[in-house]
Amino acid sequence: DIQMTQSPSTLSASVGDRVTITCRASQTISSWLAWYQQKPGKAPKLLIYKASSLEGGVPSRFSGSGSGTEFTLTISSLQPDDFATYYCQQYNNYPWTFGQGTKVEIK
Amino acid sequence: EEQLVESGGGLVQPGGSLRLSCAASGFTVSSNYMSWVRQAPGKGLEWVSILYSDDTTHYADSVKGRFAISRDNSRNTLYLQMNSLRAEDTAVYYCARHHFGVGLDYWGQGTLVTVSS
Repeated sequence: DIQMTQSPSTLSASVGDRVTITCRASQTISSWLAWYQQKPGKAPKLLIYKASSLEGGVPSRFSGSGSGTEFTLTISSLQPDDFATYYCQQYNNYPWTFGQGTKVEIK
Repeated sequence: EEQLVESGGGLVQPGGSLRLSCAASGFTVSSNYMSWVRQAPGKGLEWVSILYSDDTTHYADSVKGRFAISRDNSRNTLYLQMNSLRAEDTAVYYCARHHFGVGLDYWGQGTLVTVSS
């Protein structure tokens, strides 16, 4: 199985900060990577697909990059609505796997 | 508007069975790839299973041989039959649409399954 490792596990930041989350795959997954945002008690929401494509309706402050085994999610200017947990997910090979999550907290 | 609504969760004893349903509206389940993802209390997301439009299925190793994914085209509904349930199957179960090449773009609200004696 492909292991997905996110870092950091927790991130403390302030409104307006630039935030970067990293996701590493244990083997190459080309660009078959998605990023999701999840708030407590809610279903995940797709933000980024194919590593760098922005899902419709998602603010442009979110961006993704990378290919192969290393990927990043960047929030250019953190907004109050962005405090949540973020997950990466590979869909190159079955079983699909998620990273363990990165919780973005208010500093 | 695309919507997914899960039902069927509840409390079940170890070794028991449960069938989850996921009713779709705004799109056709049979024309899409449909998946189940679960989340144990306080934990991360775990992919469980997928059903293709051509009836191909895939499962996580942790549920292979115990869970079965299926659909009823007339009801536009996805199912997850869960047998031989274990305590570690306790989780919120989400159904989601996989838009090919895009990822899981529509999710239900989730249904809680608790396996306990």
